[in-house]
Amino acid sequence: GAGVSQTPSNKVTEKGKYVELRCDPISGHTALYWYRQSLGQGPEFLIYFQGTGAADDSGLPNDRFFAVRPEGSVSTLKIQRTERGDSAVYLCASSLSLRANEQFFGPGTRLTVL
Amino acid sequence: GENVEQHPSTLSVQEGDSAVIKCTYSDSASNYFPWYKQELGKRPQLIIDIRSNVGEKKDQRIAVTLNKTAKHFSLHITETQPEDSAVYFCAAAYNNDMRFGAGTRLTVKP
Repeated sequence: GAGVSQTPSNKVTEKGKYVELRCDPISGHTALYWYRQSLGQGPEFLIYFQGTGAADDSGLPNDRFFAVRPEGSVSTLKIQRTERGDSAVYLCASSLSLRANEQFFGPGTRLTVL
Repeated sequence: GENVEQHPSTLSVQEGDSAVIKCTYSDSASNYFPWYKQELGKRPQLIIDIRSNVGEKKDQRIAVTLNKTAKHFSLHITETQPEDSAVYFCAAAYNNDMRFGAGTRLTVKP
């Protein structure tokens, strides 16, 4: 079956611009996660959704970062006024709710801010 | 919040030897501990996981042990092969709230 997909696979933008990164979870998965991975580091938690609501957004680094999941399926991570330090691979994952903890990762979006 | 420490950051072994990677976690409420393998430029893939009601789990050449009292868990790979070379991440989770370690780069030399 179809796995988690993310678009675009690569995004190059200029400092100060706005970007949107999209995640399509596995059908039927109610939990959706966003992580940021810098070179040589583990996935850094940003936010996770249970259904439409953000269950935990404590990992968002500042108010330039925002994520939505309006219909409980597709999610968009939005970054305003991008900075060079935002350059990283942004990973999305999904899982069934509650005890089905296994997270299935998407291929990631590589964001480069020039 | 949960904090996961992982050691070593790099590990080099000879083909056929065993490799052990260790992690500690801070939140005693964590009840799910997966291990992911990530090859260069690819997405993390789950290789084995363990829940807090189990002390050890094996799957062929891979095993994971969990010590809840000490809040640490380990990944053991036996009879390593060159294709085991990758970055391995541990994680600790309570329900769906998961935090990852910084990763171990394993190199298996033929």
